[in-house]
Order: sequence, then C-alpha cells, then structure tokens
Amino acid sequence: EIVLTQSPDTLSLSPGERATLSCRASQSFSNSYLAWYQQKPGQAPRLLIYGASNRATGIPDRFSGSESGTDFTLIISMLEPEDFAVYYCQHYGGSPPSFTFGPGTKVDIK
Amino acid sequence: EVQLVESGGGLVKPGGSLRLSCVASGFTFSDVWMNWVRQGPGKGLEWVGRIKRSVDGGRTEYAAPVKGRFTISRDDSKTMVYLQMNSLKTEDTAVYYCSTDFSRTYFGSWGQGTLVTVSS
Repeated sequence: EIVLTQSPDTLSLSPGERATLSCRASQSFSNSYLAWYQQKPGQAPRLLIYGASNRATGIPDRFSGSESGTDFTLIISMLEPEDFAVYYCQHYGGSPPSFTFGPGTKVDIK
Repeated sequence: EVQLVESGGGLVKPGGSLRLSCVASGFTFSDVWMNWVRQGPGKGLEWVGRIKRSVDGGRTEYAAPVKGRFTISRDDSKTMVYLQMNSLKTEDTAVYYCSTDFSRTYFGSWGQGTLVTVSS
C-alpha cells in the first residue's frame, strides 16, 4: 500500500506570498491518480486538483499542481486570505480499491 | 448546485449500531457512485467505502477497518445513501462525510458531515 508523506507540517506565510506544498509517495505508480483537497476549520474538504495537475471546476488559477516521479507539488501562487487552511493529498489504487490520504499541511497566517 | 446533507450521527456505546443517512440534490443521483469518508477528532481523512450505481449492480467496496461491520446502501428514488454501522468501536469515532465519486478515483462534492461518537 502506498503511503503519502506531506511536508511541511505547517507553513506560515503572509497574504500575497507563494505557497509550495509537497506530497511524496512511498513508491511510484503508473497513473497520475493524485488529488489535492482544501479543508477549512469546521468545513468539509473541497477538491482542488485531480490527476496531479488538473484544476477542478471553479478553482482559481492561482492553484496549480505538478508531479515529478513520486513527488507531487501544490503551488498557490499568491495567497488570498481565504486560502489559509489545511491541504491534503490523496492517491487512488485500484482493484481492490484503496484511497490513501496524506496527513495534511496547514497553511496559516504569519 | 450539488448538495449533500448527512444525518443520524450521535453517541453510541461500543458494540452498538447506528445508521447514517445522506440526502443528495442538484445532480442525477442514480448516475453517480457515492462514498463515505471519515475524519477522526484532530485526525486526517480515511475512506470508509463506496457504492456503485444501481445499473452497475449497486456493488459495494469497503476499507479493511470496517469490512464486515459497515454496510452501504442506496435508494435512488429518494436520492439517499446510507451507512449502517454495526459492532462499533471507539476508534470509529469520527465525523462521517458522504461524497460523490469523481472519475472513480477522487471525491468530488462533500456534505458537511455528521459526528459519530463511540464511548461508554
């Protein structure tokens, strides 16, 4: 089973700054079944990025995702006040299905 | 607009049972696989299980920690999905979210969740 490790645990930044979040998989996988979710306190998660680099419907273009081997990155180009939240990465492995989440990275206001 | 509203959470003793419900609106429910995902207090996210469309046989799949104890069902006429939880353990304490499937690999839309507390 693939294990996802996210870093850093917490990222303290100011509005307008660039955020770079990392998600590393314990082994490579042949597809790009990697997603990113945003969760604000007291709210449900929201799908941001799927297929490692595709923005979900309605997600602003300041959010972008990329992959390099087993390393996946979420970049928020210029932080808006509403972007301070916890971000999770998620992988899907099929047959039998398994959905694995990373432990999350909290982006908080510096 | 997609809306998912969960209900049925509460306090239950270890070994007890509880049934969660999720009512959906804003999309063609019968066309969509549905998932349950949970989040323990102060913890991360954990997939619980999913149910395929009725035309796909309504087959269900579960995560290992809940297999044999939890059962997912759906009623397309009511646009509802259910999670029957039996033999509950303290480690099942969590907020339970229902969510729509997205491309069979991700979680598209989410409800606000319902809290289940398993404690004596």
